[in-house]
Amino acid sequence: DAGVIQSPRHEVTEMGQEVTLRCKPISGHDYLFWYRQTMMRGLELLIYFNNNVPIDDSGMPEDRFSAKMPNASFSTLKIQPSEPRDSAVYFCASSLTGRSGYTFGSGTRLTVV
Amino acid sequence: AQTVTQSQPEMSVQEAETVTLSCTYDTSESDYYLFWYKQPPSRQMILVIRQEAYKQQNATENRFSVNFQKAAKSFSLKISDSQLGDAAMYFCAYRSVNNNDMRFGAGTRLTVKP
Repeated sequence: DAGVIQSPRHEVTEMGQEVTLRCKPISGHDYLFWYRQTMMRGLELLIYFNNNVPIDDSGMPEDRFSAKMPNASFSTLKIQPSEPRDSAVYFCASSLTGRSGYTFGSGTRLTVV
Repeated sequence: AQTVTQSQPEMSVQEAETVTLSCTYDTSESDYYLFWYKQPPSRQMILVIRQEAYKQQNATENRFSVNFQKAAKSFSLKISDSQLGDAAMYFCAYRSVNNNDMRFGAGTRLTVKP
């Protein structure tokens, strides 16, 4: 298995632009998570899905952020419009139900200038 | 909500020596899972070891072992025979069996001195 695949690995964009981050979870995993990592706030859970359905989006910072999971093999995290304070590493992770740990993707480093 | 605390922002160890990283957590649940993740400079999050709360036996994975004290809500990681490749950020994490999300501590940066 290729693991959790995220793209792009790096993204630099100008303030006000739309940014879309992509994730392909491990086949068969029924949970998908989006995290944001910054020096100031550490790893923050943004949203997670179970069987493609959003379960908890209370971590999404504001309406500029949205996430979708149209099928079991693909998810997106969109920021529109982007702001400099959105600069961070965004991780996608997937897992099976219950006791297993997460498998993380390699992350997307987003820089908004 | 559950919280995870790592009180050591930085630790260092001499190569081949043993080091222990501390983690405490706060929860009212009786069943849950605990994890240690390693994040090297490549930024990839790597699962090191996991512990199921209902198991009293401490988990072990090669040179990595945990000291799980459920009553004290403590979950420390011991790295034996430290190697240069162990240098990384280490995150302690708590996963609830009720809502399945995972909460992370702030991390401990481990330096290994040759």
